[in-house]
Amino acid sequence: EAGVAQSPRYKIIEKRQSVAFWCNPISGHATLYWYQQILGQGPKLLIQFQNNGVVDDSQLPKDRFSAERLKGVDSTLKIQPAKLEDSAVYLCASSLGSQGEQYFGPGTRLTVT
Amino acid sequence: AQSVTQPDIHITVSEGASLELRCNYSYGATPYLFWYVQSPGQGLQLLLKYFSGDTLVQGIKGFEAEFKRSQSSFNLRKPSVHWSDAAEYFCAVALRGEYGNKLVFGAGTILRVKS
Repeated sequence: EAGVAQSPRYKIIEKRQSVAFWCNPISGHATLYWYQQILGQGPKLLIQFQNNGVVDDSQLPKDRFSAERLKGVDSTLKIQPAKLEDSAVYLCASSLGSQGEQYFGPGTRLTVT
Repeated sequence: AQSVTQPDIHITVSEGASLELRCNYSYGATPYLFWYVQSPGQGLQLLLKYFSGDTLVQGIKGFEAEFKRSQSSFNLRKPSVHWSDAAEYFCAVALRGEYGNKLVFGAGTILRVKS
């Protein structure tokens, strides 16, 4: 069974530029999560999708971050404009249902200079 | 507010020695608790979880954890550490809501194994 796929694996941008990350969850998983993991900290949930609808985006900085999950499968997370403090690993996870075990992708390491 | 504390940022153990990683949580209701492992450049992998029942939980790779309600703890243990166990370990509590379980993670403990 293929796992959660993410791309790119690494990205370096300058502050005020925009960036987008892509996630392909495990086939059939209805719930998709985006986490931000800053160096030295545990992952923090940014947004949760149930199929293609947002069910929790309480910790998403909506002035600069946006996410979508078209057709309830793949998802993209965008940052525009990026700030230095956005440097982190962005993890995507999926689960069969909202109560199920979350499976994590390898993450995208973003460096903002 | 709900939180997870992992008091040890780094731990170094000798290969073959026993291991205990500490985790304390703050949560008003009966918690759902998890331990994840993250190897360099990899995503998080679930080691074990506690929902209810037996307070001693067995996981993958020879790990176990014990839930102690009186101490608000969920410490991870392994009787004999292998060099391949070197990684970062995260404890998490699930906040149960209308739309499922929202995970709140601790800051992690980096395990180094010396030969």
